Amino acid sequence: KAGVTQTPRYLIKTRGQQVTLSCSPISGHRSVSWYQQTPGQGLQFLFEYFSETQRNKGNFPGRFSGRQFSNSRSEMNVSTLELGDSALYLCASSLLPIESSPLHFGNGTRLTVT
Amino acid sequence: QKEVEQDPGPLSVPEGAIVSLNCTYSNSAFQYFMWYRQYSRKGPELLMYTYSSGNKEDGRFTAQVDKSSKYISLFIRDSQPSDSATYLCAMSAKGGGSNYKLTFGKGTLLTVNP
Repeated sequence: KAGVTQTPRYLIKTRGQQVTLSCSPISGHRSVSWYQQTPGQGLQFLFEYFSETQRNKGNFPGRFSGRQFSNSRSEMNVSTLELGDSALYLCASSLLPIESSPLHFGNGTRLTVT
Repeated sequence: QKEVEQDPGPLSVPEGAIVSLNCTYSNSAFQYFMWYRQYSRKGPELLMYTYSSGNKEDGRFTAQVDKSSKYISLFIRDSQPSDSATYLCAMSAKGGGSNYKLTFGKGTLLTVNP
């Protein structure tokens, strides 16, 4: 069974630009959640989509948004990039909603903002 | 007090040693407890997923949950150099409707020396 696939693996952007990251979940998984990982803050929850609906959102500004398509694939968008947005962005999929189901992570997209 | 506290390490042990990794938490509502392993440049990989207090064993790994003390542990027996990675604890709590909380520890970096 194919795992969670995230594209691209690496991305370099400049301040003020916007970026879109993509995530393909494990087949049959309806929940896709996104996380930001930095050395200082660790792994922080961004948001979760389940059956195309955003169920919950972490404590991040509105510049961070996402969506989920009918095939469960998900995209995350960050607008007006700031230097502090440099991080590893991880996507995870699960069969059930994330609070009661183990998560399966992709290998992430490493975003560098210059 | 942080909601989830994890000793950041780093932890360095000789091959064959028993490793103990620990997390404490303050939110008594947490119900599900997880341990993830993250190799460099990879996404976290689920190692253990538990719901109740007590021990759960899987090969060389044992997860222990003590809800009365708000303390969880991961033990690795006969540690191998391939166990060298960052270990993340995570815990979640259901709320009403779509309310829930999912929180990760900041991770412990483990090195097993041959």
